[in-house]
Amino acid sequence: AQKITQTQPGMFVQEKEAVTLDCTYDTSDQSYGLFWYKQPSSGEMIFLIYQGSYDEQNATEGRYSLNFQKARKSANLVISASQLGDSAMYFCAMRGTNAGKSTFGDGTTLTVKP
Amino acid sequence: EPEVTQTPSHQVTQMGQEVILRCVPISNHLYFYWYRQILGQKVEFLVSFYNNEISEKSEIFDDQFSVERPDGSNFTLKIRSTKLEDSAMYFCASSRDGKSPLHFGNGTRLTVT
Repeated sequence: AQKITQTQPGMFVQEKEAVTLDCTYDTSDQSYGLFWYKQPSSGEMIFLIYQGSYDEQNATEGRYSLNFQKARKSANLVISASQLGDSAMYFCAMRGTNAGKSTFGDGTTLTVKP
Repeated sequence: EPEVTQTPSHQVTQMGQEVILRCVPISNHLYFYWYRQILGQKVEFLVSFYNNEISEKSEIFDDQFSVERPDGSNFTLKIRSTKLEDSAMYFCASSRDGKSPLHFGNGTRLTVT
């Protein structure tokens, strides 16, 4: 079974500062993928970034980077230079080797303050 | 950029009625999924579909739910006899292969009265 834990229900950050959203996971799969999604108040789910379990480099996509620490089973999302438009719910998710479902965490609501 | 399309965006129905939620996945994607999200809560897996059959389903996906891919492009979720607790946002998603990210549609907000 797979489990994703996001321990921060809500986070605040000042505009232009960096913020880290925590995600830990548990799986017995040797090969898996970790993902982050953004859900603004309008409701859509937007894919942000992906990290494969065998990727040696941490994934980066523009202002998003994924701090992957395999031994600690953590996959934290770092958003640099926060913008007001980053205010949203953020979900961490993972997929295992059987190409089945993605398991989601409970989400973290990020509020960017001007 | 290709996207997953869901219709309708909002569906209101009476308890006991049947609803069909429609999705057009990205054309070269092979894996299809339905998820639901009760307002403000976590995203829950319902069912995955590959090679024209269900590959996995959750406990939520009981006999009142069914999925079809009738014509090679549409992917539908049918709820036979809706209950009040079926009110939620229903997301369709697709992925190119078993490891790629899921791409979500904008969702259908189902309200059962």
